[in-house]
Formats: sequence, C-alpha cells, structure tokens
Amino acid sequence: KNEVEQSPQNLTAQEGEFITINCSYSVGISALHWLQQHPGGGIVSLFMLSSGKKKHGRLIATINIQEKHSSLHITASHPRDSAVYICAVTLDSNYQLIWGAGTKLIIKP
Amino acid sequence: DVKVTQSSRYLVKRTGEKVFLECVQDMDHENMFWYRQDPGLGLRLIYFSYDVKMKEKGDIPEGYSVSREKKERFSLILESASTNQTSMYLCATTPTSLLDTQYFGPGTRLTVL
Repeated sequence: KNEVEQSPQNLTAQEGEFITINCSYSVGISALHWLQQHPGGGIVSLFMLSSGKKKHGRLIATINIQEKHSSLHITASHPRDSAVYICAVTLDSNYQLIWGAGTKLIIKP
Repeated sequence: DVKVTQSSRYLVKRTGEKVFLECVQDMDHENMFWYRQDPGLGLRLIYFSYDVKMKEKGDIPEGYSVSREKKERFSLILESASTNQTSMYLCATTPTSLLDTQYFGPGTRLTVL
C-alpha cells in the first residue's frame, strides 16, 4: 500500500463546477504539500500546510491531522485549471518527501 | 522569483551513451534534488545535495550519479543510458530546510532508444 494515496486518479468536470481532490496518508508528517503540474512538465507549489486550512484565490486546501487526510478544492473551475494535482508529505522522522501519484483534472468549457 | 532552469526540455539518446542533465538555480538555495517522474508512480527521488560537493542517495540512485561543484549547479549523470531510464527528469531546490517549499525546473523528457 502506498504511503500517500490520492483520489480520484482522473477527474473530468464542466467549467464552473466545484472540484475536490483527496489525499490520504499513513505516516507521521511535518507538513503536507499540494502542487500543480501543467502539461509540459513544470511543477508549481500551491500550498504547504500542517494544520487547518489555507486559501489562495479559488483554491482551498484543508488538512485533518487526526484522520490523516487532506483535500484540495477548486471553486468556479475553469479550463485553465486543467492540470495534474500532486499531494506530497514531509515525514516527521527524516524530512523526506513522499509523493502521491497525482490526480489528472480536465475542466471542459 | 526563484528561477530553476534545466539544460534541455527534450533529449533523445541511444542505449549505452553517457548522458548529462544539468540544473541551475539563481537564488542561492542550499538544497537541490533530482527526481524522475513516470506515469502512475509519482515523483521518485534519485539524489539530493544539501551543499557543494555533498550528495545523498534517494530512493532510486542505481544507474545514476550526480555532481555539485558549484552551489548553483547540480548535474545528473547517466553513466550508460538504458531504455528503462526513459522518463521525465525534474530538478528542484529548497532554500535552507528540507521542510521548505520546493521550486521546480521545467523538466527534461529523456528518451533512450
């Protein structure tokens, strides 16, 4: 079993829909990261959080430490949000990063 | 803004060739990382470096070596490329702590024929 699991693997939605991507982990962590990768490869860090909730524009990230679960939400989704969204955790034991396999999101106009 | 550049976006090499992938950052970051990314597997750490001339093996170092002679430059070397090294290679940096946000280069898509 992977230490970081993302769901769904693939998600297709219509423009304007509210999007939720989930990340569950089974290890002790110092922080959880959400990143975005557009076609072509470049990866951009969206959030780093260790508790509660963070918001940036239409993106919201939440984490529940007790349940070892995080969600990334996109409000009023737009075709330019189409990308792969990656969850990663920093282990509290050695600060190593463990990566999820990513969620491929397609927003149709 | 942090800028992380990689020497090539696309590279095609033949089996057995020696391959150099170079990563350069302009923000005086301490830590630099090389990952490979394959479909369904997520990012896997090959090597990282926390200082000039220092290197640590990641999860999949076999078949690779690295060099960090200057702080801004971290090279990944495939001594004898094989077809199973066909992949997307991504370089990343963090300022000081491994807890810091990672800044990624654009990636190099390597094909080994």
